[in-house]
Amino acid sequence: NAGVMQNPRHLVRRRGQEARLRCSPMKGHSHVYWYRQLPEEGLKFMVYLQKENIIDESGMPKERFSAEFPKEGPSILRIQQVVRGDSAAYFCASSPVQDLNWNTEAFFGQGTRLTVV
Amino acid sequence: AQTVTQSQPEMSVQEAETVTLSCTYDTSENNYYLFWYKQPPSRQMILVIRQEAYKQQNATENRFSVNFQKAAKSFSLKISDSQLGDTAMYFCAFMKLSTSGTYKYIFGTGTRLKVLA
Repeated sequence: NAGVMQNPRHLVRRRGQEARLRCSPMKGHSHVYWYRQLPEEGLKFMVYLQKENIIDESGMPKERFSAEFPKEGPSILRIQQVVRGDSAAYFCASSPVQDLNWNTEAFFGQGTRLTVV
Repeated sequence: AQTVTQSQPEMSVQEAETVTLSCTYDTSENNYYLFWYKQPPSRQMILVIRQEAYKQQNATENRFSVNFQKAAKSFSLKISDSQLGDTAMYFCAFMKLSTSGTYKYIFGTGTRLKVLA
């Protein structure tokens, strides 16, 4: 069972371009989370998605950032018109269906390092 | 809002010695989960240990154990018989599960641990 797959591992974009980060969750996982890690900081929650639904986007910047998790295919984090401050590592995590006893954990991918030049 | 504080940006320990990493958190919730994650230079987020808040017994995983003090909102990680492979960033994280099924990790800023030969 492959782990959470993120690609690309490294992405370089010029200011003003668009960045698309992809995340394929573990097989059987229907919940996806995106986190951002700025240099020398911990991971910060951005968005939580289930298939075709955004459940919690309270950590997403209001402009230029969007996320989707379609019925088929990977989850996509899209950053339009990137700026230098978007340079960070972006992590995806996935988990199976939760229950209130929460006997599961979220598994993280290896992240995509975005560099805006 | 929940917060997680790791007050030790960097620590070092001699190989085979024991080291304790501190973590405090703030929440008004009663049911929640706490985690320690390890992030080696590869950037992979690796779950080290987790603790359910309703359990009084401290979690242990081989050389890793926690000291969970719920009243004090403290969750320290003890690494015994430190090995060179333990060199990494260590993140403390808080998680609560809402009745709607939405949850997210809240991470501390990390402690960089270096194990010295």
